[in-house]
Amino acid sequence: SAVISQKPSRDICQRGTSLTIQCQVDSQVTMMFWYRQQPGQSLTLIATANQGSEATYESGFVIDKFPISRPNLTFSTLTVSNMSPEDSSIYLCSVDKGGAGNTIYFGEGSWLTVV
Amino acid sequence: KQEVTQIPAALSVPEGENLVLNCSFTDSAIYNLQWFRQDPGKGLTSLLLIQSSQREQTSGRLNASLDKSSGRSTLYIAASQPGDSATYLCAVTSSNTGKLIFGQGTTLQVKP
Repeated sequence: SAVISQKPSRDICQRGTSLTIQCQVDSQVTMMFWYRQQPGQSLTLIATANQGSEATYESGFVIDKFPISRPNLTFSTLTVSNMSPEDSSIYLCSVDKGGAGNTIYFGEGSWLTVV
Repeated sequence: KQEVTQIPAALSVPEGENLVLNCSFTDSAIYNLQWFRQDPGKGLTSLLLIQSSQREQTSGRLNASLDKSSGRSTLYIAASQPGDSATYLCAVTSSNTGKLIFGQGTTLQVKP
């Protein structure tokens, strides 16, 4: 298993500001991912956080809006930049400890409301 | 493009009832299928993982089946309890992309 801690768990943000979400894993993992879950929707993959290199973004998501860092195998950050009310979502960090054939673990999520 | 569909979107049952949640996917090229539970405002908890070569997995009162050829999975919950109330998400790992693709979820309410 994996214990994943996300901070903050919840925040209310002003329009136009940026917020950085942290994800800490209790063990080294190969793959780390960031998802967004908009109200009433399922999860959408934002990007794969690559250790030591630039993140791999999915269609519709760009680095300028969602810069990601992954300085080591246990930690990653996601920044939501220049926020608007449409960015109000739960942002979830997830890890795959052993590749595509294994269980995916999720953090508790960071619930952001932009006002 | 892989698409995952869950039916029904919402379900309300009395306590003690057995129930089945359905998940279908359009592309059989998958590594595995997972069922997750999500409580309101929370992250996801993995319930069961079925590898593509497996037919079913069981954990306590939960049983998940997989029919890869027909693109279907079911999650069976026996003797439902109010604590089972949550949203249940089905997700497949595509063997083409390695990515996890989620369904929209089924929101279950078990009434005492």
